[in-house]
Amino acid sequence: GAVVSQHPSRVICKSGTSVKIECRSLDFQATTMFWYRQFPKQSLMLMATSNEGSKATYEQGVEKDKFLINHASLTLSTLTVTSAHPEDSSFYICSATDLGGVVTEAFFGQGTRLTVV
Amino acid sequence: AQKITQTQPGMFVQEKEAVTLDCTYDTSDPSYGLFWYKQPSSGEMIFLIYQGSYDQQNATEGRYSLNFQKARKSANLVISASQLGDSAMYFCAMREGTSGTYKYIFGTGTRLKVLA
Repeated sequence: GAVVSQHPSRVICKSGTSVKIECRSLDFQATTMFWYRQFPKQSLMLMATSNEGSKATYEQGVEKDKFLINHASLTLSTLTVTSAHPEDSSFYICSATDLGGVVTEAFFGQGTRLTVV
Repeated sequence: AQKITQTQPGMFVQEKEAVTLDCTYDTSDPSYGLFWYKQPSSGEMIFLIYQGSYDQQNATEGRYSLNFQKARKSANLVISASQLGDSAMYFCAMREGTSGTYKYIFGTGTRLKVLA
């Protein structure tokens, strides 16, 4: 299957700092990328959907100024958690699809475990 | 209302036996896709199987098969000949919407434990 690389896999940051998470599609053009947040032992909660070259669409309740999403190219999307606080500690995972081609499923990155101290 | 419902928070199965993980969905879109993903303790999401709403036959991928009953809006995952490595969290997901507005919605998951 297609490969999506997410980096970093783990990050610890101080409260008040910003953290950037990268999501790259390595062998296909990702026209759409999705960012999810997963709390322990819970399901994936969709945070936002980003289409290359346009602004991300955020789900209700997700602060767009806090979770900045950029999808500047067909192979890269970034999520920046700004002014992180301990309650932002979570597992963040991206997925990518090539909806213009033959790929039908969403391929996931490895996830990023963010800990804010 | 829940769009994807997985009613089994946890399941046990004996090694080499088959197990069915339940999933029901709710949508008014005529075109949608149903997926199953496996999430081991490491956290990555592994795609297992896909069923399109217009597919006439049930999808199969190796030991995985999807029991698609459209009228009942169910898409149960059947794992045959369970292996210890199958122990993980399993998520049912639905893709709905149109091109450019697709969303993938996940169920709450079922934790499967395969017993030796």
